[in-house]
Amino acid sequence: DAGVTQSPTHLIKTRGQQVTLRCSPKSGHDTVSWYQQALGQGPQFIFQYYEEEERQRGNFPDRFSGHQFPNYSSELNVNALLLGDSALYLCASSFGLDNYEQYFGPGTRLTVT
Amino acid sequence: DAKTTQPTSMDCAEGRAANLPCNHSTISGNEYVYWYRQIHSQGPQYIIHGLKNNETNEMASLIITEDRKSSTLILPHATLRDTAVYYCIVRGISGSARQLTFGSGTQLTVLP
Repeated sequence: DAGVTQSPTHLIKTRGQQVTLRCSPKSGHDTVSWYQQALGQGPQFIFQYYEEEERQRGNFPDRFSGHQFPNYSSELNVNALLLGDSALYLCASSFGLDNYEQYFGPGTRLTVT
Repeated sequence: DAKTTQPTSMDCAEGRAANLPCNHSTISGNEYVYWYRQIHSQGPQYIIHGLKNNETNEMASLIITEDRKSSTLILPHATLRDTAVYYCIVRGISGSARQLTFGSGTQLTVLP
C-alpha cells in the first residue's frame, strides 16, 4: 500500500516564477492538506481540500492556490515566487474532514534563487 | 499561535524510557492532545492522541494530567531511530481548529 507520494523531490526556481507541486494521497484517503515548513521551524498549514473544494485556509496570500482532482490527488501552485517561499512543502492525506490522523508525504524541497 | 509549550531539546539513553513533557494550560474541554514526530528529512509521523484518558499504542503512551493542562509522551524503550523532533499539538473538533498547528517541538536525541 503506497503512502502519500509527492513530486518532484527537489525544485529550484527563480524569483518571480511560478511553481506547481503534486501530491497523491494514501490509498483510501479523500482529503489533502498542504503545509509549508521553513528551515528549523514546524510545518505551517496552507490549506485543505476535500471533494475538490478548498475547505480551510491558513494565513497564506492568494499567491498560494491549489486544486484537487476527482481521483483525490492534489496540486499546490505558487505564483510570483519570493525568496521567502524557499521551504519544504508537505502534503498530508486523511479520510474525511475530521482527519484525526494525517499521513504526511516526504515533501518537496523548493529553493527560490 | 501554538497553544503548547515544549522544551527545545532533550537527550535519552538508548533502551531507557523517554519522557517528553508538554504544557497546554489553555486547552478547552473539546480539544485533543496530539503527538507527531519528524525524523530528519522526512514528513511528520502521527504517534498518538488523547482527550482525557491515558492512551497507549504500539509506539508510545500518552499521559494527560487530570486538569488536562499538561501531558507527557512516553517512549518506553527508546532506540536510536527514535531521534526526531517531537511535536505536541492541541487540536479542536470544528472549523479552523481542526487543523494541526505545529510549534517548534522538542528535539529528542537518543544516545548510544
